[in-house]
Amino acid sequence: GAVVSQHPSWVICKSGTSVKIECRSLDFQATTMFWYRQFPKQSLMLMATSNEGSKATYEQGVEKDKFLINHASLTLSTLTVTSAHPEDSSFYICSARLLTWREETQYFGPGTRLLVL
Amino acid sequence: AQKVTQAQTEISVVEKEDVTLDCVYETRDTTYYLFWYKQPPSGELVFLIRRNSFDEQNEISGRYSWNFQKSTSSFNFTITASQVVDSAVYFCALSGFRSNDYKLSFGAGTTVTVRA
Repeated sequence: GAVVSQHPSWVICKSGTSVKIECRSLDFQATTMFWYRQFPKQSLMLMATSNEGSKATYEQGVEKDKFLINHASLTLSTLTVTSAHPEDSSFYICSARLLTWREETQYFGPGTRLLVL
Repeated sequence: AQKVTQAQTEISVVEKEDVTLDCVYETRDTTYYLFWYKQPPSGELVFLIRRNSFDEQNEISGRYSWNFQKSTSSFNFTITASQVVDSAVYFCALSGFRSNDYKLSFGAGTTVTVRA
């Protein structure tokens, strides 16, 4: 299957700082990437849809100014958690949409664990 | 609105037993995709299968098999002769078929524990 990477895999930061997470599709181009958030023992919740060259589309209840998304190329999307607080501690997962004439599937990155102290 | 229900929160089996995970979905779309993903303790989601709504053939891949019943809106997943490495959280998911409706709606997940 297709490969999606995330960096960093985990990060610990102080409250009030900003954290940037990168999501890369390594062997295909993705015009659309997605950012999810997963709390312990819960399902994945879609935060936003990242479209290459345009503004991200945020799900209801997700603060645009807090979770900045940039999709500057066909293989890279970044999520910046601004002024992070302990309640932002979570597992952040990205996915990239592979769309060809015979396939339409989302492939997921390994996730980034964020702990805000 | 799309909704995926995985009624089983946790399943515990002994190695070599079969285990079936239930998935029931709701959608207004006439065509859609259904997925199963595996999330081992490491956290990374592993793609297992994608099924188009117009293809009701059941599928088998090694010890994994899937039973798609459109009439009951179910897409169940069976692991035959389970192994300890199968221990993980399994998610069923649904997305639209049209190019502008591809958001994934996930079920709550079923935690499978396989004991040696």
